[in-house]
Parts: sequence; structure tokens; C-alpha cells
Amino acid sequence: EAGVAQSPRYKIIEKRQSVAFWCNPISGHATLYWYQQILGQGPKLLIQFQNNGVVDDSQLPKDRFSAERLKGVDSTLKIQPAKLEDSAVYLCASSVSSIHEQYFGPGTRLTVT
Amino acid sequence: QKEVEQNSGPLSVPEGAIASLNCTYSDRGSQSFFWYRQYSGKSPELIMSIYSNGDKEDGRFTAQLNKASQYVSLLIRDSQPSDSATYLCAVTRNSGYSTLTFGKGTMLLVSP
Repeated sequence: EAGVAQSPRYKIIEKRQSVAFWCNPISGHATLYWYQQILGQGPKLLIQFQNNGVVDDSQLPKDRFSAERLKGVDSTLKIQPAKLEDSAVYLCASSVSSIHEQYFGPGTRLTVT
Repeated sequence: QKEVEQNSGPLSVPEGAIASLNCTYSDRGSQSFFWYRQYSGKSPELIMSIYSNGDKEDGRFTAQLNKASQYVSLLIRDSQPSDSATYLCAVTRNSGYSTLTFGKGTMLLVSP
């Protein structure tokens, strides 16, 4: 069974630029998550989708971050404009449902200069 | 505010010893508990889940849960240098669209 796929793996941008990340969950997983992990911290949930609907985006900085999950499969996370403090690893995870184990993709390491 | 607390470490143990990793949580409504292992530069990998009080064993790993004390632990027997990683504790209420709350992780170093 293929795991969670993410791209790109690495991205370096200047502050105020925009960036987008892509995630393809494990086939059949209805729930998709985007996390931000800053060095030395645990993952922090940014947004949770159930199929193509948002069920939790309470920690998403909505003035600069946006995410969508069209057709309930792939998802994209966008940052515009980026700030220095957005430098982190962005992790996508998926699960069969919100009460099941989550499986993580390899992550995208973002550096904002 | 739901909190999950872990000692950041590093916890240093010699090869072959038992490593004991601990986690406390603040939300009494938490029902599901997970341990993830994260190697440096890699993403978290699920290694154990536990849902009821007591012990759950899987190979060299044993998860222990005490809901009354709001405490969950992970024991690694016969520790190997390849076990050196950060171990993340995560908890969820397991109701509706409940979210997973992670601790900051404990770094484990196993010396040969």
C-alpha cells in the first residue's frame, strides 16, 4: 500500500513570496491533516479535512495560509505572503477516519529567508 | 487548553537496557493514545497505540496507560542504537472530529 505522498520535499523562498505544498493521502483515507512542525516542537495541527470539508482550522493563520481538498482526495496548502517564522516542516497525514491512527508523509521543509 | 507534557531529554541509555519514556496529558476526556518515533530529518512514524488502561506489548515495545493518573508511558526493552530518535506522545478524545494533540517529544540516545 502506497504511503502519503508530498511534494516538494524542500523549498527555499524569500519573505513575502508565496509557496504551495501538495499532498496525496493513502487511498481510501477520508481524513487528511496538515501539520506544522518547528524544530524541537511536536507537530501542530493547521487544518483537518473530512473528505472535502474542513472540520478544524482553528490554528490556521487564515490571513496568510489557505488549504483546499478538492474532490476529497489530494490537498494543497498555500502560504501567501510568507514570513520568516513560517520556516518549518509541513507534514501531511491521513487516516481512515478521525478516530483512527494517522500516517504521515515525508514532509516539506520550508526555509523562508 | 489541551496539553501533552513530555520530558525533552535527552534520555541516554546503554545498548541492551530498558528505556522508559513518559507522558502526561491534561484532558480527562482523552480516549486514544499514540506513540510516534521520529528520526532526525524524517517524519513521525506510528509505533504503538493504546486505548484502555493497562499494558500493551508489541515486540520490544510496551505501552502503559493509566487514565486515572492521566499518564502514558512507553518502555523499550533491549534498546538498540537504531532506537535513537525522538519519541512523540499524542492523545485524542476520539469523539466526533476530535484532533490529535502532540507533546514536544523526548529524545532518546542509545549508546553502543
